[in-house]
Amino acid sequence: KNEVEQSPQNLTAQEGEFITINCSYSVGISALHWLQQHPGGGIVSLFMLSSGKKKHGRLIATINIQEKHSSLHITASHPRDSAVYICAATFMYSGGGADGLTFGKGTHLIIQP
Amino acid sequence: ETGVTQSPTHLIKTRGQQVTLRCSSQSGHNTVSWYQQALGQGPQFIFQYYREEENGRGNFPPRFSGLQFPNYSSELNVNALELDDSALYLCASTDRGNMNTEAFFGQGTRLTVV
Repeated sequence: KNEVEQSPQNLTAQEGEFITINCSYSVGISALHWLQQHPGGGIVSLFMLSSGKKKHGRLIATINIQEKHSSLHITASHPRDSAVYICAATFMYSGGGADGLTFGKGTHLIIQP
Repeated sequence: ETGVTQSPTHLIKTRGQQVTLRCSSQSGHNTVSWYQQALGQGPQFIFQYYREEENGRGNFPPRFSGLQFPNYSSELNVNALELDDSALYLCASTDRGNMNTEAFFGQGTRLTVV
């Protein structure tokens, strides 16, 4: 069964702290996505990874294929980073195609001033 | 801001009615996926359309159906609405031929069934 697990579910931190959100998945994937969702619903894609590490501004995403694990890091966190962060995976069909995204339940991050 | 737009943004329907939600895809993307997000939950995959055909489906009943048009835009139709269908409906577009393409999401349609 295709599953994506995220932790923690809720995280409150002080401005400036280093934030880590973790994601693990059950079986082989073709891609791992980190997404951001603000109140009101719109989802923004932050990263798509199939290996290694990506960095964009204060955000860093890593993936370890052997351990089926990915992390999203936020350096020098700021109140505007407060949002729900969602990990999602594209699992492969047995025939080699790509299914829709399977989402984790999200991490509700609050950065306090 | 992405080029994926959804309409309408909000909708209220009565139980038993039918609803059609619309999604335009990002320029250059040929695949549209639809997701249902209940309050406080992560999105759940409904189905995906590629080349105007359903290309994969999640655990949703047949009263959830869809279409994709030659310009790759898509519709989600839900018949015989139930109260539990109240949710945020999200669409995402990707390029099926390029596995390195990120998914672009619309802002969603918030459906309330009363």
